[in-house]
Amino acid sequence: KNQVEQSPQSLIILEGKNCTLQCNYTVSPFSNLRWYKQDTGRGPVSLTIMTFSENTKSNGRYTATLDADTKQSSLHITASQLSDSASYICVVLDLQRGFKTIFGAGTRLFVKA
Amino acid sequence: GAGVSQSPSNKVTEKGKDVELRCDPISGHTALYWYRQSLGQGLEFLIYFQGNSAPDKSGLPSDRFSAERTGGSVSTLTIQRTQQEDSAVYLCASSFQGTASTDTQYFGPGTRLTVL
Repeated sequence: KNQVEQSPQSLIILEGKNCTLQCNYTVSPFSNLRWYKQDTGRGPVSLTIMTFSENTKSNGRYTATLDADTKQSSLHITASQLSDSASYICVVLDLQRGFKTIFGAGTRLFVKA
Repeated sequence: GAGVSQSPSNKVTEKGKDVELRCDPISGHTALYWYRQSLGQGLEFLIYFQGNSAPDKSGLPSDRFSAERTGGSVSTLTIQRTQQEDSAVYLCASSFQGTASTDTQYFGPGTRLTVL
Protein backbone atom coordinates (compact mmCIF):
# COMPACT_ATOMS: atom_id res chain seq x y z
CA LYS A 1 0.00 0.00 0.00
CA ASN A 2 1.36 3.39 -1.04
CA GLN A 3 2.20 5.63 1.87
CA VAL A 4 0.75 8.62 0.01
CA GLU A 5 -2.71 8.13 -1.47
CA GLN A 6 -4.38 10.74 -3.68
CA SER A 7 -7.99 11.08 -4.70
CA PRO A 8 -9.71 11.31 -7.00
CA GLN A 9 -7.56 9.65 -9.64
CA SER A 10 -8.99 12.04 -12.23
CA LEU A 11 -11.43 14.91 -12.23
CA ILE A 12 -13.28 16.91 -14.88
CA ILE A 13 -14.61 20.37 -14.05
CA LEU A 14 -15.93 23.36 -15.95
CA GLU A 15 -13.86 26.49 -16.31
CA GLY A 16 -14.51 28.92 -13.48
CA LYS A 17 -15.51 26.25 -10.97
CA ASN A 18 -13.62 25.38 -7.80
CA CYS A 19 -12.28 21.95 -6.92
CA THR A 20 -10.51 20.17 -4.07
CA LEU A 21 -7.95 17.41 -4.40
CA GLN A 22 -7.18 15.07 -1.51
CA CYS A 23 -3.99 13.53 -0.19
CA ASN A 24 -3.85 11.01 2.66
CA TYR A 25 -0.50 9.84 3.96
CA THR A 26 0.87 7.40 6.47
CA VAL A 27 4.50 8.60 6.39
CA SER A 28 5.47 9.46 9.95
CA PRO A 29 7.30 11.43 11.00
CA PHE A 30 7.65 13.77 8.10
CA SER A 31 9.50 17.00 7.46
CA ASN A 32 7.24 18.63 4.93
CA LEU A 33 4.42 18.01 2.49
CA ARG A 34 4.48 19.44 -1.00
CA TRP A 35 2.04 19.87 -3.85
CA TYR A 36 3.33 19.95 -7.42
CA LYS A 37 1.64 20.72 -10.75
CA GLN A 38 2.87 18.72 -13.73
CA ASP A 39 1.83 19.64 -17.24
CA THR A 40 1.98 16.87 -19.84
CA GLY A 41 5.52 16.37 -21.08
CA ARG A 42 7.07 18.71 -18.53
CA GLY A 43 8.72 18.47 -15.16
CA PRO A 44 6.72 19.16 -11.97
CA VAL A 45 6.45 22.72 -10.68
CA SER A 46 6.25 23.42 -6.98
CA LEU A 47 2.96 24.95 -5.79
CA THR A 48 3.17 24.80 -2.00
CA ILE A 49 5.46 23.49 0.72
CA MET A 50 4.18 23.00 4.27
CA THR A 51 5.97 21.84 7.36
CA PHE A 52 4.15 19.66 9.87
CA SER A 53 3.37 22.71 11.99
CA GLU A 54 1.59 24.63 9.22
CA ASN A 55 -2.13 24.32 8.53
CA THR A 56 -2.54 26.24 5.33
CA LYS A 57 -0.45 27.75 2.54
CA SER A 58 -1.66 29.75 -0.44
CA ASN A 59 -0.13 30.42 -3.84
CA GLY A 60 -2.46 32.54 -5.93
CA ARG A 61 -5.59 30.52 -6.71
CA TYR A 62 -4.07 27.43 -5.07
CA THR A 63 -4.58 26.83 -1.32
CA ALA A 64 -3.18 23.79 0.44
CA THR A 65 -4.29 22.64 3.87
CA LEU A 66 -2.66 20.17 6.21
CA ASP A 67 -4.09 18.27 9.18
CA ALA A 68 -1.16 16.47 10.81
CA ASP A 69 -3.48 14.74 13.29
CA THR A 70 -5.55 12.99 10.64
CA LYS A 71 -2.62 12.88 8.18
CA GLN A 72 -4.62 14.55 5.44
CA SER A 73 -3.86 17.36 3.05
CA SER A 74 -5.97 19.02 0.41
CA LEU A 75 -5.32 21.32 -2.52
CA HIS A 76 -8.12 23.73 -3.34
CA ILE A 77 -8.18 25.42 -6.72
CA THR A 78 -10.35 28.51 -7.00
CA ALA A 79 -11.93 29.82 -10.20
CA SER A 80 -10.32 27.19 -12.37
CA GLN A 81 -8.79 28.06 -15.72
CA LEU A 82 -8.13 25.93 -18.79
CA SER A 83 -4.41 26.14 -17.98
CA ASP A 84 -5.04 24.36 -14.69
CA SER A 85 -5.47 21.12 -16.65
CA ALA A 86 -2.55 19.03 -15.41
CA SER A 87 -1.57 16.35 -12.92
CA TYR A 88 -1.31 17.42 -9.30
CA ILE A 89 1.11 15.45 -7.18
CA CYS A 90 1.31 15.25 -3.39
CA VAL A 91 4.76 14.52 -1.97
CA VAL A 92 5.83 13.79 1.60
CA LEU A 93 9.47 14.25 2.62
CA ASP A 94 11.11 12.77 5.68
CA LEU A 95 14.52 14.38 5.97
CA GLN A 96 15.25 12.85 9.37
CA ARG A 97 16.11 9.52 7.78
CA GLY A 98 18.27 10.46 4.88
CA PHE A 99 16.31 11.72 1.90
CA LYS A 100 13.07 9.79 2.05
CA THR A 101 10.67 11.09 -0.57
CA ILE A 102 7.29 9.48 -1.08
CA PHE A 103 5.21 10.54 -4.09
CA GLY A 104 1.50 10.13 -4.57
CA ALA A 105 0.28 8.83 -7.92
CA GLY A 106 -1.30 12.19 -8.70
CA THR A 107 -4.73 13.48 -9.63
CA ARG A 108 -5.32 14.24 -13.29
CA LEU A 109 -7.44 17.41 -13.59
CA PHE A 110 -9.23 18.34 -16.79
CA VAL A 111 -10.75 21.82 -17.01
CA LYS A 112 -13.27 22.23 -19.83
CA ALA A 113 -14.63 25.39 -21.39
CA GLY B 1 19.01 29.64 -19.49
CA ALA B 2 17.90 30.12 -15.92
CA GLY B 3 16.27 26.74 -15.44
CA VAL B 4 17.40 23.14 -15.08
CA SER B 5 18.30 21.62 -18.42
CA GLN B 6 18.54 17.96 -19.39
CA SER B 7 19.90 16.19 -22.41
CA PRO B 8 19.01 14.42 -24.52
CA SER B 9 15.28 15.10 -24.45
CA ASN B 10 14.63 11.69 -25.97
CA LYS B 11 16.80 8.58 -26.10
CA VAL B 12 15.99 5.31 -27.81
CA THR B 13 18.37 2.45 -27.18
CA GLU B 14 18.57 -1.28 -27.58
CA LYS B 15 18.36 -3.66 -24.67
CA GLY B 16 21.81 -4.31 -23.23
CA LYS B 17 23.33 -0.99 -24.25
CA ASP B 18 24.63 1.62 -21.80
CA VAL B 19 23.14 5.12 -21.72
CA GLU B 20 24.19 8.42 -20.15
CA LEU B 21 21.74 11.13 -19.24
CA ARG B 22 22.92 14.64 -18.43
CA CYS B 23 21.60 17.28 -16.07
CA ASP B 24 22.69 20.92 -15.82
CA PRO B 25 21.31 22.38 -12.57
CA ILE B 26 20.53 26.00 -11.87
CA SER B 27 23.74 27.90 -11.21
CA GLY B 28 24.46 28.22 -7.50
CA HIS B 29 22.23 25.32 -6.44
CA THR B 30 24.13 22.94 -4.19
CA ALA B 31 21.59 20.12 -4.20
CA LEU B 32 20.75 17.92 -7.19
CA TYR B 33 18.21 15.11 -7.43
CA TRP B 34 17.39 12.40 -9.94
CA TYR B 35 13.92 10.89 -10.22
CA ARG B 36 12.23 8.40 -12.52
CA GLN B 37 8.65 8.49 -13.77
CA SER B 38 7.42 5.33 -15.43
CA LEU B 39 4.37 5.30 -17.70
CA GLY B 40 1.23 5.34 -15.62
CA GLN B 41 3.15 5.41 -12.36
CA GLY B 42 4.20 8.05 -9.92
CA LEU B 43 7.58 9.65 -9.48
CA GLU B 44 10.32 7.62 -7.84
CA PHE B 45 13.39 9.04 -6.09
CA LEU B 46 16.73 7.71 -7.37
CA ILE B 47 19.67 9.68 -5.95
CA TYR B 48 20.45 12.94 -4.18
CA PHE B 49 23.66 15.02 -4.18
CA GLN B 50 24.26 17.71 -1.56
CA GLY B 51 27.40 19.79 -1.93
CA ASN B 52 30.53 17.72 -1.32
CA SER B 53 28.77 15.14 0.83
CA ALA B 54 28.49 11.51 -0.20
CA PRO B 55 25.35 11.10 -2.32
CA ASP B 56 22.24 9.42 -0.99
CA LYS B 57 21.89 6.46 -3.36
CA SER B 58 19.08 4.76 -1.47
CA GLY B 59 16.65 5.03 -4.37
CA LEU B 60 18.77 3.44 -7.10
CA PRO B 61 16.91 0.30 -8.23
CA SER B 62 19.96 -1.82 -9.07
CA ASP B 63 23.74 -1.69 -9.41
CA ARG B 64 23.27 -1.02 -13.13
CA PHE B 65 22.40 2.54 -12.15
CA SER B 66 25.05 5.06 -11.11
CA ALA B 67 25.39 8.81 -11.05
CA GLU B 68 28.16 11.35 -10.77
CA ARG B 69 28.24 15.03 -10.11
CA THR B 70 31.44 16.67 -11.26
CA GLY B 71 32.63 19.94 -9.80
CA GLY B 72 29.44 20.30 -7.83
CA SER B 73 27.52 21.21 -10.96
CA VAL B 74 26.70 18.97 -13.92
CA SER B 75 25.46 15.47 -13.18
CA THR B 76 25.39 12.34 -15.30
CA LEU B 77 23.10 9.37 -14.67
CA THR B 78 24.43 6.18 -16.24
CA ILE B 79 22.40 3.06 -16.83
CA GLN B 80 24.41 0.01 -17.82
CA ARG B 81 23.04 -2.97 -19.73
CA THR B 82 19.66 -1.33 -20.14
CA GLN B 83 16.51 -3.41 -19.75
CA GLN B 84 13.04 -2.75 -21.12
CA GLU B 85 11.78 -1.96 -17.62
CA ASP B 86 14.22 0.97 -17.53
CA SER B 87 12.00 2.78 -20.04
CA ALA B 88 10.75 5.91 -18.30
CA VAL B 89 11.13 9.66 -18.08
CA TYR B 90 14.18 10.55 -16.01
CA LEU B 91 13.78 13.88 -14.25
CA CYS B 92 16.48 15.97 -12.66
CA ALA B 93 15.87 18.72 -10.11
CA SER B 94 18.05 21.15 -8.21
CA SER B 95 17.60 23.29 -5.14
CA PHE B 96 19.55 25.99 -3.36
CA GLN B 97 20.45 24.10 -0.21
CA GLY B 98 18.75 20.73 -0.11
CA THR B 99 18.96 20.30 3.61
CA ALA B 100 16.50 23.08 4.36
CA SER B 101 13.10 21.63 5.09
CA THR B 102 11.29 24.02 2.79
CA ASP B 103 13.86 24.18 0.00
CA THR B 104 12.08 24.45 -3.36
CA GLN B 105 13.13 21.95 -6.00
CA TYR B 106 13.18 23.08 -9.62
CA PHE B 107 12.71 20.34 -12.17
CA GLY B 108 14.11 19.98 -15.63
CA PRO B 109 11.98 18.84 -18.60
CA GLY B 110 13.19 15.26 -18.32
CA THR B 111 14.77 12.72 -20.66
CA ARG B 112 12.41 10.15 -22.12
CA LEU B 113 14.27 6.84 -22.34
CA THR B 114 12.90 4.03 -24.47
CA VAL B 115 14.60 0.65 -24.37
CA LEU B 116 13.67 -1.59 -27.28
